[in-house]
Amino acid sequence: SQQGEEDPQALSIQEGENATMNCSYKTSINNLQWYRQNSGRGLVHLILIRSNEREKHSGRLRVTLDTSKKSSSLLITASRAADTASYFCAASGSARQLTFGSGTQLTVLP
Amino acid sequence: GAVVSQHPSWVICKSGTSVKIECRSLDFQATTMFWYRQFPKQSLMLMATSNEGSKATYEQGVEKDKFLINHASLTLSTLTVTSAHPEDSSFYICSARDGAPHGQPQHFGDGTRLSIL
Repeated sequence: SQQGEEDPQALSIQEGENATMNCSYKTSINNLQWYRQNSGRGLVHLILIRSNEREKHSGRLRVTLDTSKKSSSLLITASRAADTASYFCAASGSARQLTFGSGTQLTVLP
Repeated sequence: GAVVSQHPSWVICKSGTSVKIECRSLDFQATTMFWYRQFPKQSLMLMATSNEGSKATYEQGVEKDKFLINHASLTLSTLTVTSAHPEDSSFYICSARDGAPHGQPQHFGDGTRLSIL
């Protein structure tokens, strides 16, 4: 399978805490993207990091990319109950298709 | 901006029925649309890639005669599940992108939950 791996598979934290999710991929990439999916809904794009970037910020989100290790992490700071969702990384290669990771189910407890 | 509308959101039908799912880009021209399938608590698996005006490219293991894809215009792609059976029950999601170079995200529809009785 070309699908990437994400860990943890599930993460439960208290509101206000930080949440960190990790992603590994298998092929060379042009960029790596993170998406969020609420239960039974489509995906919402969160942030994109290019292969020549190492870190990117957007609001409470911080993404890192290590192309030598073929890995990325997503940090959500000061989490809120509304952040409860599944989070997926997606690797974009030369074919411009996305290969999704297995996902992390985040639960933020109020 | 960059809204993708997918319709219907939920379909329940009898085995043997053919079901058509529409994916529309509302405010941009989608040169490429993608169709994914997602099983409960699993990730998205790419089924096929369609470019406007040409035949879809199917991923390995996806039956093109079973899952008919049409991308006749820059704003509409359709997926038809022909003679659907219970094993076809799943969550189907489309996404679309414009013709911009690398580095642009895909925009996703809200998905269609297909239940075959």
